[in-house]
Amino acid sequence: DAEITQSPRHKITETGRQVTLACHQTWNHNNMFWYRQDLGHGLRLIHYSYGVHDTNKGEVSDGYSVSRSNTEDLPLTLESAASSQTSVYFCASSATTNTEAFFGQGTRLTVV
Amino acid sequence: KNEVEQSPQNLTAQEGEFITINCSYSVGISALHWLQQHPGGGIVSLFMLSSGKKKHGRLIATINIQEKHSSLHITASHPRDSAVYICAVDKTSGSRLTFGEGTQLTVNP
Repeated sequence: DAEITQSPRHKITETGRQVTLACHQTWNHNNMFWYRQDLGHGLRLIHYSYGVHDTNKGEVSDGYSVSRSNTEDLPLTLESAASSQTSVYFCASSATTNTEAFFGQGTRLTVV
Repeated sequence: KNEVEQSPQNLTAQEGEFITINCSYSVGISALHWLQQHPGGGIVSLFMLSSGKKKHGRLIATINIQEKHSSLHITASHPRDSAVYICAVDKTSGSRLTFGEGTQLTVNP
């Protein structure tokens, strides 16, 4: 069965370190998204991609970057981790606009 | 003001009760999604709708485009329905989802 997986599921890192969260989907979807989820906020969009070599900033993109070298993967990199980036991160994919979105299981990141 | 507002924020019910969660939005949309998130778990899509009503098992979702309002109903609620329910919209001005803050539902036996 097709799926979308995130790794790691849990990560503790130190302030200032570079961290990369992986997202891999086997749906062959063009659209991929990274969100963060924090108490008091809905899911907020960090970066997104509509296809290979396409990347776009979301509403909370500062301190994050992504790259899309193939259809299946959209890794999220925190260039220099900050405590404000402690959060739960979700990756999602969809075939096109107005189609069902599929979410990964989430990555809980703690920056100490 | 958020573009997508859900009510209530928290809801506690007894097993067997009929439950309604509401979602109002203030932007033009092409579709609305209802999602479910269990504690510590991932997010699962329940419904995507752009008009009318959809039903899946004990879950029913309705949308009124003119009133910019959607409801998620759960009939004969069960403790396993305990989760966060999230409303999200595909805005006509873009192709990324905009989310409500979620409704925490607890169903007691």
